[in-house]
Amino acid sequence: DAGVIQSPRHEVTEMGQEVTLRCKPISGHNSLFWYRQTMMRGLELLIYFNNNVPIDDSGMPEDRFSAKMPNASFSTLKIQPSEPRDSAVYFCASSFGGQYNEQFFGPGTRLTVL
Amino acid sequence: AQSVTQPDIHITVSEGASLELRCNYSYGATPYLFWYVQSPGQGLQLLLKYFSGDTLVQGIKGFEAEFKRSQSSFNLRKPSVHWSDAAEYFCAVSSGGGADGLTFGKGTHLIIQP
Repeated sequence: DAGVIQSPRHEVTEMGQEVTLRCKPISGHNSLFWYRQTMMRGLELLIYFNNNVPIDDSGMPEDRFSAKMPNASFSTLKIQPSEPRDSAVYFCASSFGGQYNEQFFGPGTRLTVL
Repeated sequence: AQSVTQPDIHITVSEGASLELRCNYSYGATPYLFWYVQSPGQGLQLLLKYFSGDTLVQGIKGFEAEFKRSQSSFNLRKPSVHWSDAAEYFCAVSSGGGADGLTFGKGTHLIIQP
């Protein structure tokens, strides 16, 4: 059974460019989470969705960041324009939702903004 | 606001020795607690979780953790470590289990000496 799929696995871009990260959750899961991992700040929740609806986006750092979930099997995280301080590993996770279920993480996308 | 403290940034243990990784949380109600492991360049894998009931929980790879409400702790233990246990370990708390975002500690880097 496929786990959470993220693409691309690595992205190198120049400052000012638009970056789009993609995530396919585990089939049947109805909650999806985006996290960011940096050396300075560790793992931080950016935004999460339940049944394709954004529930909490208070972790999104700036208006340059946006996330969408157009259907149950796909989500995007977009950064426009990108800046060097956005360099990080971005993880997507999914779960069945509900209190007694855990989150399953994807392999992450390593983003480098030059 | 909920928070997690992992006091030890690095821990070095000899192969075959016992292990205890510390985790303290701050949360007003009964928390949902997790331990994840991250190998270099990989995503996060769930080791174990506590939702309610028995305060000693068993996980994968021979790990266990004990929830102590009076100490606000959820320490991870393993009786005998293997070289393959070298990794980064994260403790996390959630207010809603699989339906809510996770708040992570900064992580503990485990080094195994031969």
